Amino acid sequence: DVKVTQSSRYLVKRTGEKVFLECVQDMDHENMFWYRQDPGLGLRLIYFSYDVKMKEKGDIPEGYSVSREKKERFSLILESASTNQTSMYLCASRTGGYNSPLHFGNGTRLTVT
Amino acid sequence: KNQVEQSPQSLIILEGKNCTLQCNYTVSPFSNLRWYKQDTGRGPVSLTIMTFSENTKSNGRYTATLDADTKQSSLHITASQLSDSASYICVVRMDSSYKLIFGSGTRLLVRP
Repeated sequence: DVKVTQSSRYLVKRTGEKVFLECVQDMDHENMFWYRQDPGLGLRLIYFSYDVKMKEKGDIPEGYSVSREKKERFSLILESASTNQTSMYLCASRTGGYNSPLHFGNGTRLTVT
Repeated sequence: KNQVEQSPQSLIILEGKNCTLQCNYTVSPFSNLRWYKQDTGRGPVSLTIMTFSENTKSNGRYTATLDADTKQSSLHITASQLSDSASYICVVRMDSSYKLIFGSGTRLLVRP
């Protein structure tokens, strides 16, 4: 089974802090994604990556950046955390095929105070 | 506007009963529709995918339908179990694109 591991289940950070969310997948998937999930809203795409060192903006990239130095690892960076970034963050990976399913990690619940 | 709407928002049923979850979409051009199950505290897991030419597909007690003409899909759960308690998310992919449009989900609670 594909395993997508997010380094933290819960994080509490202060406004203005730089925050790193880490994600690792063990199936040699080309594509990796970062979503945020808020109550009453569908998952919203922040950034994705088709390959190492490649990144593309999703629908809500403002206030975020990403890094993919190795194929298995995709990091989400909040340059200066704000309270409106309090959310559940989900990392996902998949093979290169458009019809392949996303494999999600179990999420990181970030609270910014 | 490309949208995916799910109904109901939440549903409570008794163990052993059947239920049907709805997904309506206005996504165009359409490629496929996938249902995910998300247990509390976990990431979503794919249940099934429906392509344009498929009307019905089953995965155990889960049966998905797709009507591409009316742009509607349903997920029917037969003989519900406590472990079916979860959120069910409908996701539509746009043709020739990475773009996925997510519904906001239906939260199902199965009570003993």
